[in-house]
Amino acid sequence: AQSVSQHNHHVILSEAASLELGCNYSYGGTVNLFWYVQYPGQHLQLLLKYFSGDPLVKGIKGFEAEFIKSKFSFNLRKPSVQWSDTAEYFCAVTLSGGYQKVTFGTGTKLQVIP
Amino acid sequence: EAGVTQFPSHSVIEKGQTVTLRCDPISGHDNLYWYRRVMGKEIKFLLHFVKESKQDESGMPNNRFLAERTGGTYSTLKVQPAELEDSGVYFCASSRDSSGNTIYFGEGSWLTVV
Repeated sequence: AQSVSQHNHHVILSEAASLELGCNYSYGGTVNLFWYVQYPGQHLQLLLKYFSGDPLVKGIKGFEAEFIKSKFSFNLRKPSVQWSDTAEYFCAVTLSGGYQKVTFGTGTKLQVIP
Repeated sequence: EAGVTQFPSHSVIEKGQTVTLRCDPISGHDNLYWYRRVMGKEIKFLLHFVKESKQDESGMPNNRFLAERTGGTYSTLKVQPAELEDSGVYFCASSRDSSGNTIYFGEGSWLTVV
């Protein structure tokens, strides 16, 4: 079965700092990759996704992620974080083709200090 | 378009009691999913409905959990009797197709068993 690892459980940054959240998955087949975000008091929402094509994916609010197949990684980045980016971020994977349930990582709590 | 709604948002019950969580998917979404996040752990799949039928219930932890979707609209997840380890956040999600790639999540129902 596939699994997803997020290395950072809690990250604290000052505003304008750069962000990189690590995500590795384990599965030998073709996968679809996602980053979800949950802002305080809100529902889980999709930040960006990768299905195929350009491995550098742009998402909402200035976030991007790069799929590196050889490293089984899909790290999330943002050049300059804002206080409003304070949230919990989840990396997730589904297997390509047909129905597959979503497998999530444990989540990373990001706290941005003004 | 209204999103996925869940009720109650928070529930505190005693061990041995029964709790029923409700999920209203986005209108027109045949696929409905239940996920659970136990404190500090990853979000885990519980089951998947296609209309009123259970497509995949491999994630249901034990027979104390019963999910229904009569009529193929809203769904309920009943925990009876509740145990301490059932505490966590129960997420409902829905999608129009069953690929698992365009899923919309609700805000979650926080359950605390004391």
